[in-house]
Amino acid sequence: QQQVKQSPQSLIVQKGGFSIINCAYENTAFDYFPWYQQFPGKGPALLIAIRPDVSEKKEGRFTISFNKSAKQFSLHIMDSQPGDSATYFCAASTSSGGSNYKLTFGKGTLLTVNP
Amino acid sequence: KAGVTQTPRYLIKTRGQQVTLSCSPISGHRSVSWYQQTPGQGLQFLFEYFSETQRNKGNFPGRFSGRQFSNSRSEMNVSTLELGDSALYLCASRPGRANTEAFFGQGTRLTVV
Repeated sequence: QQQVKQSPQSLIVQKGGFSIINCAYENTAFDYFPWYQQFPGKGPALLIAIRPDVSEKKEGRFTISFNKSAKQFSLHIMDSQPGDSATYFCAASTSSGGSNYKLTFGKGTLLTVNP
Repeated sequence: KAGVTQTPRYLIKTRGQQVTLSCSPISGHRSVSWYQQTPGQGLQFLFEYFSETQRNKGNFPGRFSGRQFSNSRSEMNVSTLELGDSALYLCASRPGRANTEAFFGQGTRLTVV
């Protein structure tokens, strides 16, 4: 059972363009939602994360929007740059940090930003 | 501050062999998790260790095991390797059980032939 569904699988935008990646989750116990960026040959790097007590969080050109009632969250990338070309993963976990902690990942979105 | 260090970076093993992968977490981090990344299944949770105890386990066969040492370093072992075990194995560390931010190493690329 895929608990976090991510779309699209791939995305091509022009430099300066706007990118949106969407994720939907099923488990209502999830209350921590990070996004990871992965370049070829590298491990995933934490980009930005949100908790359900806020509807939006912005860090530089990256914004997460969160819709608790719809069980959906999205990553928005403004002014996309060629250096943003990477695979982006959404994830979810419980924040209790207890014995049930684990990150459940979406399948990833390959973003290509053309110069 | 050094990041998460995984060794070796690349491994080629023959079907039926066993393999041990190593992970050194960020200094001061006490929680270590392991994930398997494949093109088909994506990133899947294997297990988490905290204070030398396995706290959580994913849906993988018993051939996959791990351990954590008193200095928080962790090892992961896969016995009786199968072709399908070819993957990027990632280690992530957290400061403690109450922290949710996980930081990943570069991974060990295992190829089973």
